[in-house]
Amino acid sequence: EDQVTQSPEALRLQEGESSSLNCSYTVSGLRGLFWYRQDPGKGPEFLFTLYSAGEEKEKERLKATLTKKESFLHITAPKPEDSATYLCAVMPGGTSYGKLTFGQGTILTVHP
Amino acid sequence: DAGVIQSPRHEVTEMGQEVTLRCKPISGHNSLFWYRQTMMRGLELLIYFNNNVPIDDSGMPEDRFSAKMPNASFSTLKIQPSEPRDSAVYFCASSTGGIGYTFGSGTRLTVV
Repeated sequence: EDQVTQSPEALRLQEGESSSLNCSYTVSGLRGLFWYRQDPGKGPEFLFTLYSAGEEKEKERLKATLTKKESFLHITAPKPEDSATYLCAVMPGGTSYGKLTFGQGTILTVHP
Repeated sequence: DAGVIQSPRHEVTEMGQEVTLRCKPISGHNSLFWYRQTMMRGLELLIYFNNNVPIDDSGMPEDRFSAKMPNASFSTLKIQPSEPRDSAVYFCASSTGGIGYTFGSGTRLTVV
């Protein structure tokens, strides 16, 4: 069974204080690892897809990296508007229809 | 593009009543997914369709839950009879090519 574990459950940062979120996974062949951002009362919003170990992707203050067992979401010099829940999900290989298994998420709060 | 459209946004119903949630996927997307989100269990996949055909309904909790996709632009998730433990946020998402989902804004269901 595919499993995704995210840590920490909650993270409080001061504006400008860089940090990382962790996503550990076990999956039967990884087709892709996905990061989403979810704001209160809204649906998850797609951020990144990583396909193979060693791959990195960046978007503004966010950078996602991938190894064979985990992924990190690095947040550089965060701002209050980066406050949200960040979700990690895996798509197993051999699945033609894009089924995703999600972690529980990390609630990020950035204080001004 | 208007994105994935879900209705209603909020639903409050009495235990035992029938509830129908609706979803319009993004035009051109050939996969549609229904998820349920709770604090305890996070995002759980209930059922997904590919080209309007149900592929995996193993996440549907009980026979009280049913889903249909009569055409490429519309899907419903029905709960009959509803119970208080069904209270959750229900998300619909669509995708094409397994690249990543686009989620709707969700339906917050409260069963009293």
